[in-house]
Amino acid sequence: EVQLVESGGALVQPGRSLRLSCAASGFTFSTYAMTWVRQAPGEGLEWVSAISSSGASAYYEDSVKGRFTISRDNSKNTLYLQMNSLRVDDTAVYYCASPGGANIRARLFYWGQGTLVTVSS
Amino acid sequence: EIVMTQSPATLSVSPRERATLSCRASQSVSSNVAWYQQKFGQAPRLLIYDASTRATGIPPRFSGSGSGTEFTLTITSLQSEDFAVYYCQQYNDWPPHTFGQGTKLEIK
Repeated sequence: EVQLVESGGALVQPGRSLRLSCAASGFTFSTYAMTWVRQAPGEGLEWVSAISSSGASAYYEDSVKGRFTISRDNSKNTLYLQMNSLRVDDTAVYYCASPGGANIRARLFYWGQGTLVTVSS
Repeated sequence: EIVMTQSPATLSVSPRERATLSCRASQSVSSNVAWYQQKFGQAPRLLIYDASTRATGIPPRFSGSGSGTEFTLTITSLQSEDFAVYYCQQYNDWPPHTFGQGTKLEIK
């Protein structure tokens, strides 16, 4: 059974940094592209970033470009999102998700349960 | 960036009736559209991909149609567990793979 378990969410002050993790199991992690999607409280879904199965290619939504870095450690079956210079409007539940294959430009079949990031002074 | 616009924002339908949800893309996305269901406090669940293909385990009362810029999710014979928020997403042009703002399907 495919499982994605996010962790690392916390309450942080504006301008600070945070790293989210997503532990994957039940599949060959190194063969799946991965994505981060976020959802602000009471709002809709927002695509944030994606990374190829090898980690060689990464893509970002404009509002996080230059502040967030997506990465993965295929030896540890773990996806990361390093978030720097956090802003109040980064407050959201962050989901890791996967299309269930190497095609990064595809629907998201597998989702984690999400981790809450709150940016507030 | 492609904008996905869903309508209506809220749809009130009685159980065992049919619901029709719409999603419009600001430019053609071919058939590269997915639909997700999200219940309160839960992660989204993939229902439909490639505009009309049901994901594994999704009952046949869920169907999708459309191509280009106009897409529809139809749910026939609504069950109590179907009342939720539904999102469309395009994955034709990126980044980003944009989502619609959601349609809340509520019990009438």
